[in-house]
Amino acid sequence: QVTLRESGPALVKPTQTLTLTCTFSGFSLSTSGMCVSWIRQPPGKALEWLARIDWDDDKYYSTSLKTRLTISKDTSKNQVVLTMTNMDPVDTATYYCARIGGKGHPFDPWGQGTLVTVSS
Amino acid sequence: QSALTQPASVSGSPGQSITISCTGTSSDVGSYNLVSWYQQHPGKAPKLMIYEVSKRPSGVSNRFSGSKSGNTASLTISGLQAEDEADYYCCSYAGSPYVFGTGTKVTVL
Repeated sequence: QVTLRESGPALVKPTQTLTLTCTFSGFSLSTSGMCVSWIRQPPGKALEWLARIDWDDDKYYSTSLKTRLTISKDTSKNQVVLTMTNMDPVDTATYYCARIGGKGHPFDPWGQGTLVTVSS
Repeated sequence: QSALTQPASVSGSPGQSITISCTGTSSDVGSYNLVSWYQQHPGKAPKLMIYEVSKRPSGVSNRFSGSKSGNTASLTISGLQAEDEADYYCCSYAGSPYVFGTGTKVTVL
């Protein structure tokens, strides 16, 4: 059974850097074709794709956010980490990680999500 | 990359069929047969309902079906049930990035 769980701070201040960790089980990111993505959803708004990391360490970022995002993986710990710099109140959202079974494959399954609020 | 366009809301009575459209461009929906659909109940994580335009994951009811024509994909829910009331999002692979739809709230009358 594949599961993912997001963890990180519930509250960050404007201009700070957010670090989120996705801990997963039931698959390995060293397996050819496997990928993990981050997606976020502001309260009451639509989903927004953020970043993806592949088994071969290829990385892809949202065009509009790529200067602020870094995605990395620790295969031995079954973790993927997302950092987002210069946080702003508009970045308040639930952040999800999800598995992708291959390039072009859908997001399945998703973690439960973690709500991050940006406020001073 | 602009969000794919979905109607804000769609409603139907139990047993009816409804269709949700998802309009993109020739750079996303029109270029790839990699459209997926997600169901999201309030306070819950999204759940995959359709992938590669029309394929259903194991465990998803055959009341859900997908199609595509040109730059527009569609999700049809037949035999509408109370449990289908939720938000629905389409998503298209668009090269390295992905693009989600604006979301549709489905109400069962």
